[in-house]
Amino acid sequence: EAQVTQNPRYLITVTGKKLTVTCSQNMNHEYMSWYRQDPGLGLRQIYYSMNVEVTDKGDVPEGYKVSRKEKRNFPLILESPSPNQTSLYFCASSALGDYGYTFGSGTRLTVV
Amino acid sequence: DAKTTQPNSMESNEEEPVHLPCNHSTISGTDYIHWYRQLPSQGPEYVIHGLTSNVNNRMASLAIAEDRKSSTLILHRATLRDAAVYYCILRDFQGGGADGLTFGKGTHLIIQP
Repeated sequence: EAQVTQNPRYLITVTGKKLTVTCSQNMNHEYMSWYRQDPGLGLRQIYYSMNVEVTDKGDVPEGYKVSRKEKRNFPLILESPSPNQTSLYFCASSALGDYGYTFGSGTRLTVV
Repeated sequence: DAKTTQPNSMESNEEEPVHLPCNHSTISGTDYIHWYRQLPSQGPEYVIHGLTSNVNNRMASLAIAEDRKSSTLILHRATLRDAAVYYCILRDFQGGGADGLTFGKGTHLIIQP
């Protein structure tokens, strides 16, 4: 089944403890993105990648890092999480060209 | 980025057609019109997209105005499972450049049984 898989689905962590949220897609898509969703602010793009080793900032990149060493994986790294990064995170991927994005099921992160 | 305008909410009855409008008066020639929906507690789901011509798929139809300044997502026979927030998004795809989706607040579709 074609899908975008995020792990974990739920995570509670403490301020300053580095964490990684993984994202993997099995559709050989070139484009991958990370979004966060917050009440009243909607979905906002954090980072995106156009292909292996090519990444760029979205609208709200502060406090986040990403890497794209393999085409299928696009992990989101929080080096020193803070409570304002408590949010619902979505990973998405799309083929190059005239296609839609496929989203993962989300990761609900709480930073205390 | 070119922006879209959608009603905050709409209500419809089950098994009736639903027409969800979207205005995008500043659309550029390379903007595709995308529609996504987000069901409660789920990630956004791709519905349909188009450039100039009307489009149909198993989920919905997309009617695009001749001047491309507006579009309408049509659910032909709404079910309770179609209750969701629907987002109309312009995706500027010129190949090789910045990409991503800029989400607005969308339309909250309520389906009455």
